[in-house]
Amino acid sequence: AQKITQTQPGMFVQEKEAVTLDCTYDTSDQSYGLFWYKQPSSGEMIFLIYQGSYDEQNATEGRYSLNFQKARKSANLVISASQLGDSAMYFCAMRDLPYSGAGSYQLTFGKGTKLSVIP
Amino acid sequence: GAVVSQHPSWVICKSGTSVKIECRSLDFQATTMFWYRQFPKQSLMLMATSNEGSKATYEQGVEKDKFLINHASLTLSTLTVTSAHPEDSSFYICSARVAVAGGLSQETQYFGPGTRLLVL
Repeated sequence: AQKITQTQPGMFVQEKEAVTLDCTYDTSDQSYGLFWYKQPSSGEMIFLIYQGSYDEQNATEGRYSLNFQKARKSANLVISASQLGDSAMYFCAMRDLPYSGAGSYQLTFGKGTKLSVIP
Repeated sequence: GAVVSQHPSWVICKSGTSVKIECRSLDFQATTMFWYRQFPKQSLMLMATSNEGSKATYEQGVEKDKFLINHASLTLSTLTVTSAHPEDSSFYICSARVAVAGGLSQETQYFGPGTRLLVL
């Protein structure tokens, strides 16, 4: 079974500063994918970034980067130069990546971290 | 990017009535769609996996007869909350699996905007 742990219920960051949102995971699968989603107050889930377990480099997407430490089973999200619009809930998620192509494709979500950007 | 729509975005209904929520993939074909439920300040809880042309796979604890899922085409999945009760009030959100040329490792799920259901 897969499990995602986000230990920070809430985080505050000053506008234009960087912030790290923590995510640790537990899985027995050798091949898996890690995702981060943003959920603003409107409720929509916005895909931010993806990291495959065999990717050698940390994923980056604009101001988002994923600090992937496989041995520690952590996949922290780093947001650089925070903006007021970054205030939202952030969810870490994972799913297995079976070589055979089978599998449920289901995502397992953490409980989320509420980020508040202070002007 | 892939766009998923949901309709309606808000619904208020009386206890005992049925409510249908539609999830559409607008610019791609989705062989697999997922239905989630989210209570305030909580994470998403997977309710069921919907595959086009076959019966949905429900998660443990989710009543099949209460939450009817139909995935009749590659672009549309529907969730019907039958005989809704106040405890069914929640935020329902669907997602669609997007297969890309890069293979499984590049797959992700794109989410609809969600439907807020209030049962009076």
